[in-house]
Amino acid sequence: GDSVTQMEGPVTLSEEAFLTINCTYTATGYPSLFWYVQYPGEGLQLLLKATKADDKGSNKGFEATYRKETTSFHLEKGSVQVSDSAVYFCALSHTGTASKLTFGTGTRLQVTL
Amino acid sequence: GAGVSQSPRYKVAKRGQDVALRCDPISGHVSLFWYQQALGQGPEFLTYFQNEAQLDKSGLPSDRFFAERPEGSVSTLKIQRTQQEDSAVYLCASRIAGDLETQYFGPGTRLLVL
Repeated sequence: GDSVTQMEGPVTLSEEAFLTINCTYTATGYPSLFWYVQYPGEGLQLLLKATKADDKGSNKGFEATYRKETTSFHLEKGSVQVSDSAVYFCALSHTGTASKLTFGTGTRLQVTL
Repeated sequence: GAGVSQSPRYKVAKRGQDVALRCDPISGHVSLFWYQQALGQGPEFLTYFQNEAQLDKSGLPSDRFFAERPEGSVSTLKIQRTQQEDSAVYLCASRIAGDLETQYFGPGTRLLVL
């Protein structure tokens, strides 16, 4: 079955540092890939997505590129802020009306001044 | 506008009790999903509705779990004879018909079974 593997956290960075959170997946066919973010006390929010190979999703300074050859969708940001502290989830789904999400275990990011 | 809401936000149950968790999706969203998130884990799919029809219930862990959406709007997830392993956060998500890629999540109900 489908699965998503994320790097374990927590990841602790100083403000303005470069961020990478690794994500790889196992799936049949060509799934869509997502990064969701969960800020403290809030629900999951879609951060960015990519629906086909070589697509780059981007939002709020975060980027991730759908790499089919390495089955990866790593999340990057050039300069993190304290407000980026949250838990980040990589996920996939297969296009269709019943397109349930398969999530990784999440990576907690803590950004300090 | 209003997002997905869930109630209660927290629920403590004694082992063996029945519980009911409510989800109010965004108005007009035809698709509704339930997920279970154990501590330190990512959410796991439980079941999916399109309007009032439950089209996929493959993720429900046992026959003690039951979900319904009788009028195609509000949904209830019911857990009978709760067990300690049912302790988790239960997330509801809804999706509009024209966008198959984006699910909007509620804040979740944290269930603790003692």
